[in-house]
Amino acid sequence: NAGVTQTPKFRVLKTGQSMTLLCAQDMNHEYMYWYRQDPGMGLRLIHYSVGEGTTAKGEVPDGYNVSRLKKQNFLLGLESAAPSQTSVYFCASRRGLVVSYNEQFFGPGTRLTVL
Amino acid sequence: DQQVKQNSPSLSVQEGRISILNCDYTNSMFDYFLWYKKYPAEGPTFLISISSIKDKNEDGRFTVFLNKSAKHLSLHIVPSQPGDSAVYFCAARSYNTDKLIFGTGTRLQVFP
Repeated sequence: NAGVTQTPKFRVLKTGQSMTLLCAQDMNHEYMYWYRQDPGMGLRLIHYSVGEGTTAKGEVPDGYNVSRLKKQNFLLGLESAAPSQTSVYFCASRRGLVVSYNEQFFGPGTRLTVL
Repeated sequence: DQQVKQNSPSLSVQEGRISILNCDYTNSMFDYFLWYKKYPAEGPTFLISISSIKDKNEDGRFTVFLNKSAKHLSLHIVPSQPGDSAVYFCAARSYNTDKLIFGTGTRLQVFP
């Protein structure tokens, strides 16, 4: 059981380049999330999904797109990277909406630098 | 508008003593609270949680207290161990939503 995995672990982009971050979970969880963590800002929600084929905006969605074509995968895309998107990105998953399932399981993170 | 606040960026505690990490919130619709622990270069891991219908939840060395009237929760670690050195995030869920709101974190250092 790998839990939540993220690909790649590190990436350096030039301004204007595009890339996709992949998140995969093998726990059959319904909910998946993308966060970014910046110094002094905590974890901020970018986009999330409540099930296969669904996506929704979080607190800081601008400049990002997501897709959830398969239940186990959640992709985060940057169409035209900007230096302000330099951050550590975390993916998380959660079993369901029932209150006892509030715990989110996190991946190890992707460190992205945009020059 | 920071709905979940951790006003102490860092805390240093001697091994064996109690660590108390604090968290304040502003949204009265929050009904579930969680603490996460994060080591460098790793993702956050769930530590302990509490529902708004309770005022205390205990799990081994970790206890979370909730004071709804003050909109305040705290995490107590007793006794503190060097392996507890990490960043601790407080998070809150608003009733019937799918999202967690995280605080900015408190870096705990436990020294021998």
